[in-house]
Amino acid sequence: DAGITQSPRYKITETGRQVTLMCHQTWSHSYMFWYRQDLGHGLRLIYYSAAADITDKGEVPDGYVVSRSKTENFPLTLESATRSQTSVYFCASSELQGLNNEQFFGPGTRLTVL
Amino acid sequence: DQQVKQNSPSLSVQEGRISILNCDYTNSMFDYFLWYKKYPAEGPTFLISISSIKDKNEDGRFTVFLNKSAKHLSLHIVPSQPGDSAVYFCAALNFGNEKLTFGTGTRLTIIP
Repeated sequence: DAGITQSPRYKITETGRQVTLMCHQTWSHSYMFWYRQDLGHGLRLIYYSAAADITDKGEVPDGYVVSRSKTENFPLTLESATRSQTSVYFCASSELQGLNNEQFFGPGTRLTVL
Repeated sequence: DQQVKQNSPSLSVQEGRISILNCDYTNSMFDYFLWYKKYPAEGPTFLISISSIKDKNEDGRFTVFLNKSAKHLSLHIVPSQPGDSAVYFCAALNFGNEKLTFGTGTRLTIIP
């Protein structure tokens, strides 16, 4: 299917476990992003990537690791999950710079850390 | 430090009337602004945008106004429809930096 997909859609894990959230896009967009959505904070950028093998920190990167070995995939790993990482996670992608800087979002992954 | 602020967490509007959603920003380096709409259990979707060189942009029932001197933008929806009930996020960026900064969102409820 064309577009941007995330898996799993729902995940429950325990404190201290490693969790990886997957993101896949079919548009060959250069840029990919990971956000978390929390009440009172809106969407906050965790990490982003300008191209394969290029990643950079966003606003709230602590506790997260990303990689981008292929243009279409951008997995997010919580190396040792904490309760404060309970959130809804959104992946997004966009074209390289232009006037239309629209980002396209995936459907989200709801993560609960017990 | 919240650079993009949406001070109204929620707004209720009668169907057919005008909905006005507000957004304030503090960073004068922002030169592009976007509005996203989000339904429950879905990702945000792009709605409308405006460049800092303009003060108004229209797309059908949606109009975004930008007041740079006040660092304020607003989204007008006329007429409001039940399908407009959603959470609306404003976002800003500056060219050369692809990172979007989002506001906290406003939940709009259209009352039939």
